[in-house]
Amino acid sequence: EAQVTQNPRYLITVTGKKLTVTCSQNMNHEYMSWYRQDPGLGLRQIYYSMNVEVTDKGDVPEGYKVSRKEKRNFPLILESPSPNQTSLYFCASSSLTPNTGELFFGEGSRLTVL
Amino acid sequence: KQEVTQIPAALSVPEGENLVLNCSFTDSAIYNLQWFRQDPGKGLTSLLLIQSSQREQTSGRLNASLDKSSGRSTLYIAASQPGDSATYLCAVKSDSGGSNYKLTFGKGTLLTVNP
Repeated sequence: EAQVTQNPRYLITVTGKKLTVTCSQNMNHEYMSWYRQDPGLGLRQIYYSMNVEVTDKGDVPEGYKVSRKEKRNFPLILESPSPNQTSLYFCASSSLTPNTGELFFGEGSRLTVL
Repeated sequence: KQEVTQIPAALSVPEGENLVLNCSFTDSAIYNLQWFRQDPGKGLTSLLLIQSSQREQTSGRLNASLDKSSGRSTLYIAASQPGDSATYLCAVKSDSGGSNYKLTFGKGTLLTVNP
């Protein structure tokens, strides 16, 4: 089954404790992206990757890092989480073909930073 | 800069009604437009994808149309059911320069279908 898998689904942590949210897709997609969703602000893009070893900033990259060492994985790293990073995070992937690439989302990871 | 607006922000209808959700975008040079459904606390499920060369797409009781020149898309839901209650989002894929593209999301329409 084609899917995007995120882990963990729920996480409560404290300010400054480094954490990683993993994302894996099994559709051989080139494009992967991270979004955060906050009430009243909608979905905002954090980082995206067009292929292995190619990453770029989205609209709200501050406080986050990503890496793309393998095609299927795109982890999101919070080096020193702060309470304003409490949010619902989504990973998504699609093929690179501009005209046909349908975007597939993971189930989301709800992060609370105390 | 592409901006996507969805109107109304919330909609409440009785079961059985046909309804239309609206999505407008400012830059008509798009690759495609995708409609999603999101249930509370859940991920986004793709409903329909319309390529820039297409005028509409249909899936079951759902029909999405695209008018690129006017920067508008509509999602038509026929014979609404309580199970259709969710937030509906549209996303536009457009050129962001070089070989990159960007997805811009609307903030969604919260639909409630009352039994």
